Amino acid sequence: SQTIHQWPATLVQPVGSPLSLECTVEGTSNPNLYWYRQAAGRGLQLLFYSVGIGQISSEVPQNLSASRPQDRQFILSSKKLLLSDSGFYLCAWSTSNYGYTFGSGTRLTVV
Amino acid sequence: AQSVTQPDIHITVSEGASLELRCNYSYGATPYLFWYVQSPGQGLQLLLKYFSGDTLVQGIKGFEAEFKRSQSSFNLRKPSVHWSDAAEYFCAVVPGGSYIPTFGRGTSLIVHP
Repeated sequence: SQTIHQWPATLVQPVGSPLSLECTVEGTSNPNLYWYRQAAGRGLQLLFYSVGIGQISSEVPQNLSASRPQDRQFILSSKKLLLSDSGFYLCAWSTSNYGYTFGSGTRLTVV
Repeated sequence: AQSVTQPDIHITVSEGASLELRCNYSYGATPYLFWYVQSPGQGLQLLLKYFSGDTLVQGIKGFEAEFKRSQSSFNLRKPSVHWSDAAEYFCAVVPGGSYIPTFGRGTSLIVHP
């Protein structure tokens, strides 16, 4: 079956520290992969999407970056976190326009 | 500009009452349409989706949605709300030819006993 794993579930990091969030997909190949951020009381903001290994498109300029080192692995990173990076980060995948499956999310608090 | 609008930030209903959550979009052609539900601290779960055909779509958990082209709307409905339906609801749109969903800002559903 097709599943998506996202970790860690919660993370508290000091300002200026690095960040690495990982997302992996099982049971499918060549998925489209997405990173969204959800700030409190706001909708979902698309950060990055990828249609293949090494292919990353950025939607919002910021101090975050993404990488796709393997077909079913999507990593969100930062070299130095800002307070404004706090939020709920969601990874999602799709293989067509017929639905997008989301991970359980990572709650990031930058202190 | 292309957009997805959920005009109600919060909606409060009594358990057993009917529910309608509104979603409007502004795209040139009929896009693919979705409704998702999010429980606190969780990811998003797909309730239903519309691509073409019958404009009344049935989903999980007793939800349905109706696509109205003339109104550019895709409203979510449920005839009788349960306390467990309290959650955040998101409408999403994927324009034809795209594979990137755009989400509305969400509607928070509060259910009173």
